[in-house]
Amino acid sequence: AQSVTQLGSHVSVSEGALVLLRCNYSSSVPPYLFWYVQYPNQGLQLLLKYTTGATLVKGINGFEAEFKKSETSFHLTKPSAHMSDAAEYFCAVSASGGSYIPTFGRGTSLIVHP
Amino acid sequence: KAGVTQTPRYLIKTRGQQVTLSCSPISGHRSVSWYQQTPGQGLQFLFEYFSETQRNKGNFPGRFSGRQFSNSRSEMNVSTLELGDSALYLCASSLPSLSGGATDTQYFGPGTRLTVL
Repeated sequence: AQSVTQLGSHVSVSEGALVLLRCNYSSSVPPYLFWYVQYPNQGLQLLLKYTTGATLVKGINGFEAEFKKSETSFHLTKPSAHMSDAAEYFCAVSASGGSYIPTFGRGTSLIVHP
Repeated sequence: KAGVTQTPRYLIKTRGQQVTLSCSPISGHRSVSWYQQTPGQGLQFLFEYFSETQRNKGNFPGRFSGRQFSNSRSEMNVSTLELGDSALYLCASSLPSLSGGATDTQYFGPGTRLTVL
């Protein structure tokens, strides 16, 4: 069984400030972890994913996330927020070893103030 | 290269009716997955098709079904619609991989917004 918890349904930051979106997971097997972004009236776009190897993963648009097994976390960060980063962000987990049935978090809405 | 397309984009139906949604994957992609997104339940996996066969299935009733054609296009069908079926239905496609899909990057379409009255 697997689950994802995203802390904070809304996160508000000022433009230029650090973005930190939190994700904790639960998985009975080594996980694959994903972050997606969804803009209004659009589908999801993959930001980054962790499968194996380096625990610090760099994605698109300046985002990165670090897989911390001891903390069962996969938090998403960006050093400096842009207005265009305002969107809904989803963390997802799937089990390694074959079939892809992802479990998504409830999402975090990122609000960027000028 | 064209992205994932979904038709129609918006749909209004009444309870008891059935509906068919269509998804055209990115050219060359052979895996198609379907998701339901609602404010109450969030994003939930419905099923995945690969080479015309259902490879994975989420926890939804049998009213939800799908199929995939030889050109990888996919349709999902919901019969006997209920008010709770109102949602954004997302389709995603990916390239095939030896691992069976767990690490594949999925590319999502814009979704079909279904409203059941």
